[in-house]
Amino acid sequence: GEDVEQSLFLSVREGDSSVINCTYTDSSSTYLYWYKQEPGAGLQLLTYIFSNMDMKQDQRLTVLLNKKDKHLSLRIADTQTGDSAIYFCAESQIDTGRRALTFGSGTRLQVQP
Amino acid sequence: DAGVIQSPRHEVTEMGQEVTLRCKPISGHNSLFWYRQTMMRGLELLIYFNNNVPIDDSGMPEDRFSAKMPNASFSTLKIQPSEPRDSAVYFCASVRQGGSNEQYFGPGTRLTVT
Repeated sequence: GEDVEQSLFLSVREGDSSVINCTYTDSSSTYLYWYKQEPGAGLQLLTYIFSNMDMKQDQRLTVLLNKKDKHLSLRIADTQTGDSAIYFCAESQIDTGRRALTFGSGTRLQVQP
Repeated sequence: DAGVIQSPRHEVTEMGQEVTLRCKPISGHNSLFWYRQTMMRGLELLIYFNNNVPIDDSGMPEDRFSAKMPNASFSTLKIQPSEPRDSAVYFCASVRQGGSNEQYFGPGTRLTVT
């Protein structure tokens, strides 16, 4: 079955870049997503990438996809204290009809002033 | 746009009681998902609907859980009878059919069963 894995914790200093990594096992993943969850809140969709792309940039966010290694990363440039949250990687397989998202365990990003 | 609306935001109930969680998806979205988040199991799908029809309920834990979607703007998740192990945050998400399956989440309902 599908599996998505992430490291649990990342600490960076304000102004530095953050890189959050994710690996997935199912090669038929169609779309991959990054969500942000702040304490006591729901999940906020940050960005997504289609499986036939290798990079997507959106303001301070850059998503890199290595389909061969099944590795996804989210880079946050100029990290701010407001970026402190849990970041979830998720995947879905629309082509096979599986639209529900499979989530990783989340990476807690701590930004130190 | 109001986003996905869930109620109540918090629910505390005693074991054995019935609990009903409610969700209003984003207008125009025709798929709705119920997820559960716990420390032990993370985020997991319970059930999802497409055009008000249940498509995949393989994540529903047991017969104590049931979900309905009587129309395109409302869904309920019911637990009867509730147990302490049902304590979790329950999220509803909706998505417009087609495109990139971008799911938009509600704020969640934090359920505590004592």
